[in-house]
Amino acid sequence: QVYLVQSGGGLVKPGGSLRLSCAASGFSFSDYYMMWIRQAPGKGLEWVSFISSGGTYTRYADSVKGRFTIFRDNAKESVFLQMDSLRVEDTAVYYCAKDPLGDYWGQGTLVTVSS
Amino acid sequence: EIVLTQSPGTLSLSPGDRATLSCRASQSVNSFLAWFQQKPGQAPRLLIYGEGVRATDVPDRFSGSASETDSTLIISRLEPEDFGVYYCHHYGSTRAFGQGTKVEIK
Repeated sequence: QVYLVQSGGGLVKPGGSLRLSCAASGFSFSDYYMMWIRQAPGKGLEWVSFISSGGTYTRYADSVKGRFTIFRDNAKESVFLQMDSLRVEDTAVYYCAKDPLGDYWGQGTLVTVSS
Repeated sequence: EIVLTQSPGTLSLSPGDRATLSCRASQSVNSFLAWFQQKPGQAPRLLIYGEGVRATDVPDRFSGSASETDSTLIISRLEPEDFGVYYCHHYGSTRAFGQGTKVEIK
């Protein structure tokens, strides 16, 4: 059984930082790309970032480029999203998912950016 | 950047009806398109990818097709549990989601 269990998230002030974590189990984690997707309240899905299986290749949506960093620890079977310089418009539920198909998703974690 | 445009925005249908959802890409995506279903408060669920491959445990009333720039999701006979929001997703050299089509009960 595949599980993606997320942690992190919460309330942060504009300009602040937050780190999201996603712990995987049930598949060969180090063989797969992973991605983060977000969904603002009442809105659609927005792809945020993906990372290659070895962690050396990453890509970001223009909306987060230069502020967010994706990285992974294959020994701990985990992927992370470091979010800096957070803005009100980054408020969303953030999901990690197995890339590229998105055949498995985490449970989602709410990030609220508000003063 | 690839932009995916879904149509229609909303489909109002009754159980037993046939639903046809479309997704058009701004440039060639070489059939690297997938479809997801999302219900309120839940993570999206993968339904179809590539040239109509159903994901695990997806009923055969869901079918799909894809070309260089277009993909269609068909639900042959809507069941009550099929109502929700559907997204297309490009998973090629980059990633993108369409804006969604809401399938609601008429």
